[in-house]
Amino acid sequence: AQSVSQHNHHVILSEAASLELGCNYSYGGTVNLFWYVQYPGQHLQLLLKYFSGDPLVKGIKGFEAEFIKSKFSFNLRKPSVQWSDTAEYFCAVNAGGGFKTIFGAGTRLFVKA
Amino acid sequence: GAVVSQHPSRVICKSGTSVKIECRSLDFQATTMFWYRQFPKQSLMLMATSNEGSKATYEQGVEKDKFLINHASLTLSTLTVTSAHPEDSSFYICSARQTENTEAFFGQGTRLTVV
Repeated sequence: AQSVSQHNHHVILSEAASLELGCNYSYGGTVNLFWYVQYPGQHLQLLLKYFSGDPLVKGIKGFEAEFIKSKFSFNLRKPSVQWSDTAEYFCAVNAGGGFKTIFGAGTRLFVKA
Repeated sequence: GAVVSQHPSRVICKSGTSVKIECRSLDFQATTMFWYRQFPKQSLMLMATSNEGSKATYEQGVEKDKFLINHASLTLSTLTVTSAHPEDSSFYICSARQTENTEAFFGQGTRLTVV
């Protein structure tokens, strides 16, 4: 069965610091990969997605993620975070029979102003 | 992006009663809808996958007789929590997608409180 692992549960950064959130998945076949963000009190929003093609994916709000197939990874990055990036970030994988979407445990990011 | 609407956003019910939550895709036809449950400070746990016109596929450990899912049309799926108990109190989220290779869009969630 597929699974998604997010390495950091809580991250605290100062504004302008660089961000990298790790995500690894376990599934040997074709996958679709996503990063979602959940701002306090709001519902999930899609940050970016990878289906095929260029493994470096650019998303909204300056986020990007790189799919490294050999490492089963899809890490999220942002060169310079802002206070408004404070949120919870979920990595998700869509694979397997039925292509159900499975989420990682989430990473809570707090950016200090 | 596409819009998925969930109703109600909050519901309080008495223990032993049933509650129905609706999930609608407003501007696309959703062949598949997913129901998730999110406990406080935890991730989304997939409860079941429903394809239009067929029975839902439940994840291991989810009681199908307790969480009834109906996906009667390409724009509507419902989750009914039957004989609700306080431990069923949670945040329930639906998502919908058009095909296997498209992203899923999420509803705003339903906060269920069983008293």
